[in-house]
Amino acid sequence: QKEVEQNSGPLSVPEGAIASLNCTYSDRGSQSFFWYRQYSGKSPELIMFIYSNGDKEDGRFTAQLNKASQYVSLLIRDSQPSDSATYLCAVKGSGYSTLTFGKGTMLLVSP
Amino acid sequence: DVKVTQSSRYLVKRTGEKVFLECVQDMDHENMFWYRQDPGLGLRLIYFSYDVKMKEKGDIPEGYSVSREKKERFSLILESASTNQTSMYLCASSLIGQGGGEAFFGQGTRLTVV
Repeated sequence: QKEVEQNSGPLSVPEGAIASLNCTYSDRGSQSFFWYRQYSGKSPELIMFIYSNGDKEDGRFTAQLNKASQYVSLLIRDSQPSDSATYLCAVKGSGYSTLTFGKGTMLLVSP
Repeated sequence: DVKVTQSSRYLVKRTGEKVFLECVQDMDHENMFWYRQDPGLGLRLIYFSYDVKMKEKGDIPEGYSVSREKKERFSLILESASTNQTSMYLCASSLIGQGGGEAFFGQGTRLTVV
């Protein structure tokens, strides 16, 4: 059974701080990694994906992947109250495999 | 922009009713998925489809069936609705081979079975 683990939170950070969200996965064959943001009562929205070891930056967001440690993280710089949401980590194997989602980490950014 | 549209935002049905949830995507994606999302349980895959008329069971297919007669449309059917099927239902689509296959979600259908 493929598993994706996330701390449920809430993770509380003050406005302007860096929020660090973490995710571990069990399947060593996983090849693609995704971060989704989900506001309360809304559907998940893709914010980043990463395929290779290392860092990938997109605006205030940085995804980090370490396949040897089976670990992926999302950093949010200059956190804003509008970033308050649940962040879902998702992992995909090769070919026709489907996404496996973690249960999400709730982030609260206080003004 | 990819658009995935679910037919209803909110739905209330009676126990034993046959329920149809419809999903349409406009980006010519091969893959379509149905998930349900419950507090504390996260997103769980019910069924998915890689092509027209193809379907594969996900992690929790019991009590559900699906239909994909056209590439853009994927329907979820609750054969005889029960109260434990009260949930948020999310449809998603993705391209085969597009990078890692990022999924795009519809707005969700909150189903209440009474």
